[in-house]
Amino acid sequence: RKEVEQDPGPFNVPEGATVAFNCTYSNSASQSFFWYRQDCRKEPKLLMSVYSSGNEDGRFTAQLNRASQYISLLIRDSKLSDSATYLCVVNRGADSWGKLQFGAGTQVVVTP
Amino acid sequence: EPEVTQTPSHQVTQMGQEVILRCVPISNHLYFYWYRQILGQKVEFLVSFYNNEISEKSEIFDDQFSVERPDGSNFTLKIRSTKLEDSAMYFCASSRGTWVQPNNSPLHFGNGTRLTVT
Repeated sequence: RKEVEQDPGPFNVPEGATVAFNCTYSNSASQSFFWYRQDCRKEPKLLMSVYSSGNEDGRFTAQLNRASQYISLLIRDSKLSDSATYLCVVNRGADSWGKLQFGAGTQVVVTP
Repeated sequence: EPEVTQTPSHQVTQMGQEVILRCVPISNHLYFYWYRQILGQKVEFLVSFYNNEISEKSEIFDDQFSVERPDGSNFTLKIRSTKLEDSAMYFCASSRGTWVQPNNSPLHFGNGTRLTVT
């Protein structure tokens, strides 16, 4: 089983619509969870950290479900500029703070 | 906003040659990393570095790879004898703290060096 799994998409989303997708992780010792976005051939950029209680940043909402070992990202009122690949990122646990596991990414395409 | 800067943006080298990829982390950051991404694949961890020594490295980071912080600002990745399969985008990253702290410090990535081995 892959350490971090994501639906590759693409998710084709009309502008203004809502899109949501999940990521599953295999290591139950993982403590830190993040969503990064990556535009084509560019560096990953932090979108948001994901906390146990769930958290929101503007149009973006992230949830963590430790029991089922998945995190989710929801984008409301999608903008054309939201088109990107969204990377689920998980650390391996307290003993491995520097080694992040990246998912392969979920591609989102927002259309006019 | 402070940035991680990497040079060069693109490096072409012949198989068997040595390359050095350079990075200037954000100035008040203490933890440094190299990741790479082969075209069409996911981002992979190579190495983490703290207090002038390697903290952790992946299976990819074999004896052909080394890292160094030669002065107070630069952080370099050296590949001693490049192979075709080393062709990838190499990302340097830095963070102020580690993940295990509350409000953990996110990694800030540089814009990458595209390494092409011919």
